[in-house]
Amino acid sequence: QSALTQPPSASGSPGQSVTMSCTRTNDDVDDYGYVSWYQQHPGKAPKLIIFEISKRPSGVPDRFSGSKSGNTASLTISGLQAEDEAHYHCSSYGGSSTVVFGGGTKLTVL
Amino acid sequence: EVQLLESGGGLVQPGGSLRVSCAASSFTFSRYAMSWVRQAPGKGLEWVSAISGTGGRTYYADSVRGRFTTSRDNSKNMLYLQMNRVSADDTAVYYCAKDRDHEFWSGYRPFDYWGLGTLVTVSS
Repeated sequence: QSALTQPPSASGSPGQSVTMSCTRTNDDVDDYGYVSWYQQHPGKAPKLIIFEISKRPSGVPDRFSGSKSGNTASLTISGLQAEDEAHYHCSSYGGSSTVVFGGGTKLTVL
Repeated sequence: EVQLLESGGGLVQPGGSLRVSCAASSFTFSRYAMSWVRQAPGKGLEWVSAISGTGGRTYYADSVRGRFTTSRDNSKNMLYLQMNRVSADDTAVYYCAKDRDHEFWSGYRPFDYWGLGTLVTVSS
């Protein structure tokens, strides 16, 4: 079954840009086109911020953008703000009608 | 505003059973597939199960298949997860999550709304 690997941590200063990766491994699923990203603040529910690799739901600032190259999807946050400090989780189709999540990246705004 | 509110979590002994529930409001519940996603303490998210809008089809992660059962009551806008033969590995916050687009489950589409979760602790 497919797995998604995310770096455990990332950091950046206010105003800077930061990019987080999500790499698909053990790939027995052809389709990596449906990648989503979720933002989760401590003690809060996850919030959808990117779907289908690069689409933003209504209300999500355009500072958040997504992309994919090969087996690695990326989330970029530009113009970092203190409120962006959170965990970020990627997900994708896992094969056989399942969903797979990455382990999550904790973003620290310095 | 869409709301999902989980309940029913608590302490359960290894090998025991527990049912958690999710009350949905402010959307046409039967028109959307729903999922359960869990998060063990300090860990990432793990998809557990999904159910179609009608409730006619259910889907499970390998880690819970045969032990957990997902159901829904569309007349009450309620989603349920019956957990049997639990072990310490099942200790987690359990979230219910709404499919963004459709009543048929595929695994491709994102979850656009999540509840706040309910904590299930398996311990003797």
